[in-house]
Amino acid sequence: DQQVKQNSPSLSVQEGRISILNCDYTNSMFDYFLWYKKYPAEGPTFLISISSIKDKNEDGRFTVFLNKSAKHLSLHIVPSQPGDSAVYFCAASPGGTSYGKLTFGQGTILTVHP
Amino acid sequence: GAGVSQSPSNKVTEKGKDVELRCDPISGHTALYWYRQSLGQGLEFLIYFQGNSAPDKSGLPSDRFSAERTGGSVSTLTIQRTQQEDSAVYLCASSPQGRRTEAFFGQGTRLTVV
Repeated sequence: DQQVKQNSPSLSVQEGRISILNCDYTNSMFDYFLWYKKYPAEGPTFLISISSIKDKNEDGRFTVFLNKSAKHLSLHIVPSQPGDSAVYFCAASPGGTSYGKLTFGQGTILTVHP
Repeated sequence: GAGVSQSPSNKVTEKGKDVELRCDPISGHTALYWYRQSLGQGLEFLIYFQGNSAPDKSGLPSDRFSAERTGGSVSTLTIQRTQQEDSAVYLCASSPQGRRTEAFFGQGTRLTVV
């Protein structure tokens, strides 16, 4: 049972344009969501997070939007840069004592062309 | 360095042998996590520690897997009687107290069971 889904395995974007990465979840117990970026042969790097009490969080070029009713979140990167090319994972965490148990999506490979 | 350190970076073992994977978290981080990523899959939660205790072990795939953490610092993940399906990248992460799930990942240990 895939509780966190990233339905697009890959995304290709021109430098300077907006990249939009999408993520859907099914478990209504999730109350904290995160995006990670991963380069080959490296561990994932934390990008940005959002609590379920918010619907938007912004950090520089990165903005995460959360639509709780649709159980959907998205990551916007504006403007996209070639260095942003990586695999992007969304992750979700439940509240309570299991907060450390992140459930990850399958990842989306982002390629930003110069 | 100041990041999460994992050793070894690569491990090739014969089926049926036991292996130990080590994780040194970032100094002062109270939470420590183990995940694995099999080929073509997303990150799969294994276990997490808060201090030396493990509130959630639900992700361990079988009783051949065990993990411990001593002194609130170093953790060891042990896989007994390894099987080929155990081949994966094993990732460790840590997070500071109060920053819930903003986990910082190590570079991983690539385990190959032949």
